[in-house]
Order: sequence, then structure tokens, then C-alpha cells
Amino acid sequence: DAGVIQSPRHEVTEMGQEVTLRCKPISGHNSLFWYRQTMMRGLELLIYFNNNVPIDDSGMPEDRFSAKMPNASFSTLKIQPSEPRDSAVYFCASSLAIGGRLSYEQYFGPGTRLTVT
Amino acid sequence: GNSVTQMEGPVTLSEEAFLTINCTYTATGYPSLFWYVQYPGEGLQLLLKATKADDKGSNKGFEATYRKETTSFHLEKGSVQVSDSAVYFCALYNQGGKLIFGQGTELSVKP
Repeated sequence: DAGVIQSPRHEVTEMGQEVTLRCKPISGHNSLFWYRQTMMRGLELLIYFNNNVPIDDSGMPEDRFSAKMPNASFSTLKIQPSEPRDSAVYFCASSLAIGGRLSYEQYFGPGTRLTVT
Repeated sequence: GNSVTQMEGPVTLSEEAFLTINCTYTATGYPSLFWYVQYPGEGLQLLLKATKADDKGSNKGFEATYRKETTSFHLEKGSVQVSDSAVYFCALYNQGGKLIFGQGTELSVKP
């Protein structure tokens, strides 16, 4: 299995630009999570989907952030407009929920390191 | 609310030294507890788990025991290797279905 795939691995952009991060979960997994990791705040859950439906987006910092999951094999996290404080590593993770119960074993992608100048 | 507190890093050890990384938690009910590991340049991966009080999780020489009376889940290894250098995250799984992670503890093992 290829594991969770994220692209790009690195992104450098200027303040005000739109940024789109992409994730392909493990085939057969039905839950998908977006996390942000910074030195100051550690690992934060931004949003998660179950069967392509957003379940909890309470961790999304503000309206500049949006996430979609148009199908079971693809998700995007968009930041528009981007700001320097958005610089972080963004992880996507997937898992298999059984009987409507989320699994604690999440499989993480390698992350996208975003730098906003 | 639910939270996890880990000892601050970085922790620097010589090869074959004994490792302890402390983790305590606050939770309602009876959470499951986990250690995840993040190797340089990679995402997190599950290292070990314990789902009820007094359970001991173990994997790759690492162990942690779920201590309900002290609300702790300390990670231990008897003899670390250079390849164990990574960031270690303690986490709990609450009834809401979310993983709550600690801040992470960086371990550096020198030859």
C-alpha cells in the first residue's frame, strides 16, 4: 500500500496568495483528518471527515481556511489568503471507522511544509 | 476537558541508556492511551497502545503502562539506539472520537 499521499511536500508562497494542499488517503479508509503542526502550538486537529462528510471543523482557525472531500480518495485544504502565521507543517491522516466509531489508529502522510513569506 | 501533558524535550541520551518520557493526562471517563512516534521528515505512526487501566502496551522494546491512579502513561525503553531518535507523542482517545495529542518530546540518541 502506498500509504497516505500528500502534495506538495514543500510550498513557499507570498502573503496574500492562495494555497491548496492535497491528500490522498489510504484506499478503503473512510475517515480523513487534517492537522497542523507548529513549534508553538504542537499538533492541532483542524477538521475531520467521515465518509466524505465534514464532521467537526471546530479546529479550523478562521474563514481563510476551507477543506473539501469531493470523493473517498481525495481531499484538499485551502488557505485564502495566506498569512505568515500560517507557516507550519500540515498533515493529512486517514483511518477506518467501523460501525460509525472512529478508529484511534490513524495513518499519517509525510506532511506539507508550508512557508508564507 | 481532555488534555495530555508530556515532559519537555529535547531529551539527549547515549546509546544503550535507559529512557523514560513522562506523560500524564486529564480526561472524563476511561480513555484509551497511545504513544505515537514521528521520525525525521515523516508523519506520525502508532507505536503502542493501552485501552484500559493496568494494561501494558509494548512494541519495538518500548513499553508503557496505563496507570489510572496517577493518570499517567510513561514511555520506557531499557536500551535506546541511535535509530530511536525521533519525536514521541502521547495521546488519548476520547469518547468524541478524536485523538488528543501532547506537545511531543524530542529524543536524540548519540552513539
